[in-house]
Amino acid sequence: GESVGLHLPTLSVQEGDNSIINCAYSNSASDYFIWYKQESGKGPQFIIDIRSNMDKRQGQRVTVLLNKTVKHLSLQIAATQPGDSAVYFCAEKDDKIIFGKGTRLHILP
Amino acid sequence: GAGVSQSPSNKVTEKGKDVELRCDPISGHTALYWYRQSLGQGLEFLIYFQGNSAPDKSGLPSDRFSAERTGGSVSTLTIQRTQQEDSAVYLCASSSQVSGVGQPQHFGDGTRLSIL
Repeated sequence: GESVGLHLPTLSVQEGDNSIINCAYSNSASDYFIWYKQESGKGPQFIIDIRSNMDKRQGQRVTVLLNKTVKHLSLQIAATQPGDSAVYFCAEKDDKIIFGKGTRLHILP
Repeated sequence: GAGVSQSPSNKVTEKGKDVELRCDPISGHTALYWYRQSLGQGLEFLIYFQGNSAPDKSGLPSDRFSAERTGGSVSTLTIQRTQQEDSAVYLCASSSQVSGVGQPQHFGDGTRLSIL
């Protein structure tokens, strides 16, 4: 079946630098993509979403980029802070939402 | 509160016992989802409800698992004759509609289930 995956299971970033978390998807029919942040002991928290008719969407300190040609999704976090430490999940939606396995973001002091 | 509420937050029980997990979705949300998350893993879809009906039960791992939703609001996930492999965090999410683009799911903090 179709699946969503992530390139790197763990990403370490210096505090203050920008973080880029990548995600590959395989279902070309997916029309909606979402990024979630999950802190330890908490449920996933919605960060930002993007529809398939868009290439880029910006939020507060976060940007999601969608490249449908290569079926790639990325989450960019500007000026990474200690509070950004978490596991980040991408998800895609065709007839149902499928979650990737997650990338752990580790912030270096 | 304004978010999805799950109870209990933690549940420890002996193998073979039945457990019932509860989810209170965001008021007005018609779609409700149950997921299972093992330690360090992603989310495993279990079941979703649109209103009180469950169009997709494909993720339920065995007939020991069942779920219901009443009044278009509260949902309970029941696991009968629990096994050690049932140990996981059970997450509930709700959204304002099930099929619309741009309707993200909002999650509760889950119930951490430990089977001894």
